[in-house]
Amino acid sequence: EADIYQTPRYLVIGTGKKITLECSQTMGHDKMYWYQQDPGMELHLIHYSYGVNSTEKGDLSSESTVSRIRTEHFPLTLESARPSHTSQYLCASRGTGRTEAFFGQGTRLTVV
Amino acid sequence: ELKVEQNPLFLSMQEGKNYTIYCNYSTTSDRLYWYRQDPGKSLESLFVLLSNGAVKQEGRLMASLDTKARLSTLHITAAVHDLSATYFCAVAPNTGTASKLTFGTGTRLQVTL
Repeated sequence: EADIYQTPRYLVIGTGKKITLECSQTMGHDKMYWYQQDPGMELHLIHYSYGVNSTEKGDLSSESTVSRIRTEHFPLTLESARPSHTSQYLCASRGTGRTEAFFGQGTRLTVV
Repeated sequence: ELKVEQNPLFLSMQEGKNYTIYCNYSTTSDRLYWYRQDPGKSLESLFVLLSNGAVKQEGRLMASLDTKARLSTLHITAAVHDLSATYFCAVAPNTGTASKLTFGTGTRLQVTL
């Protein structure tokens, strides 16, 4: 059973606000990912991490930042939210070797 | 940059029919994954394919991997309405950025009665 949690599930926030989307996993996975997905569309990798203190940008340019201070925690921060950030954000984790990724339930962000 | 392409992007099929979804990718990899996503939901793992010629089956779905052709297929046999969803393949490269996991464009499957 995969245990990966995202909070909040839904967030409506005003333009210019700072937000942090939380992602935690209890499986001890070394690799973690953030994807952005508009409804019914493809997933775009925005950040990934292959271990503590190791993060990389993904293929989609993003104004967000991430940190990986603990294995189980991979938060994503937007310093100043804009309406263009409105989307669903999916967090995933993956263990060592060639295992598949497990996904959290997602955070649906609306910036007004 | 790793490219992962699926076709078709949208598939409408009648119950009882067969069809195949294709996933092409641009780098050397023997790590390919298939996922299902229902509307408004997150992604659920379907198949893990880790070698050339790998074949996995679950119910009416069968996935295969040809690493030489850089191609994976997801075959649907005798479709039923419950299979309506969006299907994604994902690839991790063998070397370099092996941690990176890139998803395909997705295929939205609609099974009609």
